[in-house]
Amino acid sequence: EPEVTQTPSHQVTQMGQEVILRCVPISNHLYFYWYRQILGQKVEFLVSFYNNEISEKSEIFDDQFSVERPDGSNFTLKIRSTKLEDSAMYFCASSEALDRVSYEQYFGPGTRLTVT
Amino acid sequence: QKEVEQDPGPLSVPEGAIVSLNCTYSNSAFQYFMWYRQYSRKGPELLMYTYSSGNKEDGRFTAQVDKSSKYISLFIRDSQPSDSATYLCAPQTGANNLFFGTGTRLTVIP
Repeated sequence: EPEVTQTPSHQVTQMGQEVILRCVPISNHLYFYWYRQILGQKVEFLVSFYNNEISEKSEIFDDQFSVERPDGSNFTLKIRSTKLEDSAMYFCASSEALDRVSYEQYFGPGTRLTVT
Repeated sequence: QKEVEQDPGPLSVPEGAIVSLNCTYSNSAFQYFMWYRQYSRKGPELLMYTYSSGNKEDGRFTAQVDKSSKYISLFIRDSQPSDSATYLCAPQTGANNLFFGTGTRLTVIP
């Protein structure tokens, strides 16, 4: 069964460093998303991406964040200068695009980011 | 007011019990109501979803939405120990981003 994969599973970085989290969405999906979950808190939407551009973004997704689809399979989230409060589980998700709207989002296993 | 409110539990039930999990929401624009299951340190797994008000059944699981009272429910019949997980309601406006509740942690005791 097709699934979303994410690498690395755990990333430790020092405050102020740049990190790139990687995702391989399900192959025939066209909508891609990043969510995060701070330990003990709810899953929060960061950004959605369709047709090589950002479709929506939340208030959390400020100038420190960027997303990219560098090739036909990968989808990345970059945090330019990490802060302690960026420590969280980051989930990538993907969905099919039906008339530019899609309801069934499938999540990857997540990358645990620890900022020290 | 929070977009989506969900009792975090924890909820413990004996095997075979009927489980009722609930959420309330405030945004009238929500049209799709998703339920995800999340095991510890894993990604959310889509269980099922409904569109607008009404019921939807899938095996032992029934999802129910009452838009007039902004109330979302998930019922699990004949609960099994393998159902032990955190259940997340996640309504959606149709504009793609999901609004997750905090999740209810369920334990089914053999």
